[in-house]
Amino acid sequence: DAGVTQSPTHLIKTRGQQVTLRCSPKSGHDTVSWYQQALGQGPQFIFQYYEEEERQRGNFPDRFSGHQFPNYSSELNVNALLLGDSALYLCASSLTLLEQYFGPGTRLTVT
Amino acid sequence: AQSVTQLDSQVPVFEEAPVELRCNYSSSVSVYLFWYVQYPNQGLQLLLKYLSGSTLVKGINGFEAEFNKSQTSFHLRKPSVHISDTAEYFCAVSDPTSNTGNQFYFGTGTSLTVIP
Repeated sequence: DAGVTQSPTHLIKTRGQQVTLRCSPKSGHDTVSWYQQALGQGPQFIFQYYEEEERQRGNFPDRFSGHQFPNYSSELNVNALLLGDSALYLCASSLTLLEQYFGPGTRLTVT
Repeated sequence: AQSVTQLDSQVPVFEEAPVELRCNYSSSVSVYLFWYVQYPNQGLQLLLKYLSGSTLVKGINGFEAEFNKSQTSFHLRKPSVHISDTAEYFCAVSDPTSNTGNQFYFGTGTSLTVIP
């Protein structure tokens, strides 16, 4: 059973550009959450998708947007990249409120 | 919103010695509590979780944690650490009774270094 997968593994972008990160949830999971983990910090909640709609959102600007597809996979889009957006982006999937399973993350570097 | 405090940012410990990593959370009527481990350049792996019932929770790799409601704490312990336990450890909480659903709130992490 494949766990949560994310692509790409690493990404380098320039300030002002746009980026799309992808996540495939664990088999059977219908909820996907995205987190940003800056260097030396704990993960910060960006948003959560369920039934193809954004169900919750953390304290992130509108430059951060997402999408969930009918097969439950998800994308995170970030527009107008800033240096401060450099971080590890983690995707987590879940079926219930009880726990979340995390993927290996995408390391985004903005130069 | 919930908040999580991990009191120690770095914990060095000698191999085969016991260790305790501390975690406190802001009060709530009910919470779910979790400990995750993160090895370098990897994602988060669940060590253990407290949902309800017994306050002593056993997890993988010999770790255990005790839920203390009166002190709003969920400290992680291991009686004898190994070199392979060197990693970053994160405490997390979710509040299923709030309107924020199952959003997880994480602490800033504790870096455990096991010294040979």
